[in-house]
Amino acid sequence: DAKTTQPPSMDCAEGRAANLPCNHSTISGNEYVYWYRQIHSQGPQYIIHGLKNNETNEMASLIITEDRKSSTLILPHATLRDTAVYYCIVRAYGQNFVFGPGTRLSVLP
Amino acid sequence: GAVVSQHPSWVICKSGTSVKIECRSLDFQATTMFWYRQFPKQSLMLMATSNEGSKATYEQGVEKDKFLINHASLTLSTLTVTSAHPEDSSFYICSASGEGGTGAYEQYFGPGTRLTVT
Repeated sequence: DAKTTQPPSMDCAEGRAANLPCNHSTISGNEYVYWYRQIHSQGPQYIIHGLKNNETNEMASLIITEDRKSSTLILPHATLRDTAVYYCIVRAYGQNFVFGPGTRLSVLP
Repeated sequence: GAVVSQHPSWVICKSGTSVKIECRSLDFQATTMFWYRQFPKQSLMLMATSNEGSKATYEQGVEKDKFLINHASLTLSTLTVTSAHPEDSSFYICSASGEGGTGAYEQYFGPGTRLTVT
């Protein structure tokens, strides 16, 4: 079973920031938080991952709370092409990825 | 980033026939490859894990004699669906991993193969 809880769906206006929450209250000290997304009929695309510090790359920012029990993926300026299912996964080195149902993000014009 | 390809991207086959799907890591050596299945409006479900040169490890409920996995090299794994039936119609996705620079054991996903069994 997935170790994370995400809202099933969210809407975001084009050009605005999309903030996708994820709860992982049972995360272990050696588990990373990963975010992937899946655009319709494609394979999952890696977005970002982190252990305890906030992370930023060209796609998104990852904010992890100090107790590591939750995190937020931020897409700073959402575009229509960001419409996808976003998966938050916690995983330790060498463990398999377990996908939950994710959050279906709809970016609206 | 690392690239994983799959071939074919889609395939239609008749019930009772077998179909082979290839998964290749294009620019890195994949010590481990994974096969997932995804039914419409559902999430990805891991079917099996394979290490190069070893037998695959199948998840509970996945028939190893029906879904044959071969991982003969560090860049190629194949999934053969034997005696396919309409209920095997699904989106099959592979992923591959090798040692990542961060040590976090990255996993890279292929674009998927849509199988339709008629």
